[in-house]
Amino acid sequence: KAGVTQTPRYLIKTRGQQVTLSCSPISGHRSVSWYQQTPGQGLQFLFEYFSETQRNKGNFPGRFSGRQFSNSRSEMNVSTLELGDSALYLCASSLTLALDEQFFGPGTRLTVL
Amino acid sequence: QKEVEQDPGPLSVPEGAIVSLNCTYSNSAFQYFMWYRQYSRKGPELLMYTYSSGNKEDGRFTAQVDKSSKYISLFIRDSQPSDSATYLCAMRVGAGGTSYGKLTFGQGTILTVHP
Repeated sequence: KAGVTQTPRYLIKTRGQQVTLSCSPISGHRSVSWYQQTPGQGLQFLFEYFSETQRNKGNFPGRFSGRQFSNSRSEMNVSTLELGDSALYLCASSLTLALDEQFFGPGTRLTVL
Repeated sequence: QKEVEQDPGPLSVPEGAIVSLNCTYSNSAFQYFMWYRQYSRKGPELLMYTYSSGNKEDGRFTAQVDKSSKYISLFIRDSQPSDSATYLCAMRVGAGGTSYGKLTFGQGTILTVHP
């Protein structure tokens, strides 16, 4: 069974630009969560989607947004990039919203110059 | 104060040693507890998933949860150089709680097992 896939794996952008990251969950999984990982803050929750609806949101500014499609694939978007947005962005999928294990993808390494 | 505290290490042990990794938490609503392993430049890999106090064993790994003390541990027996990685504890609230899909992570402990 294929795992969680994320594209692209690496991305370099400049301040002020916007970026879209993509995540394909494990087949049959309907919930997708996004996390930001930095050396200073560790892993922090961004948001979670289930059935194309955002169910939870972390403490990030409105520049961070996401969506989920009918096939459970998800995208997250960061607008007006700042240097501090440089991080590993991780997507995790689970079968349903609660009680299920979350499995992570390899992440997208975003560098903002 | 962070909701989940984890000693970042680094921890360096000889091959074959028993490793003990620990996390404490302050939010009594946490009901589900996980341990992830993350190799450099990779995504976290789920090792253990527990939801009750007590021990859960899987091969060389044992997860221990003490909800009364708000303390969880991961033990690795007969550690191998391939166990060298960052170990992250993670927790979530029970079903029906707010933000129940959200995992809250510890900072991670860097473990090196040397031959």
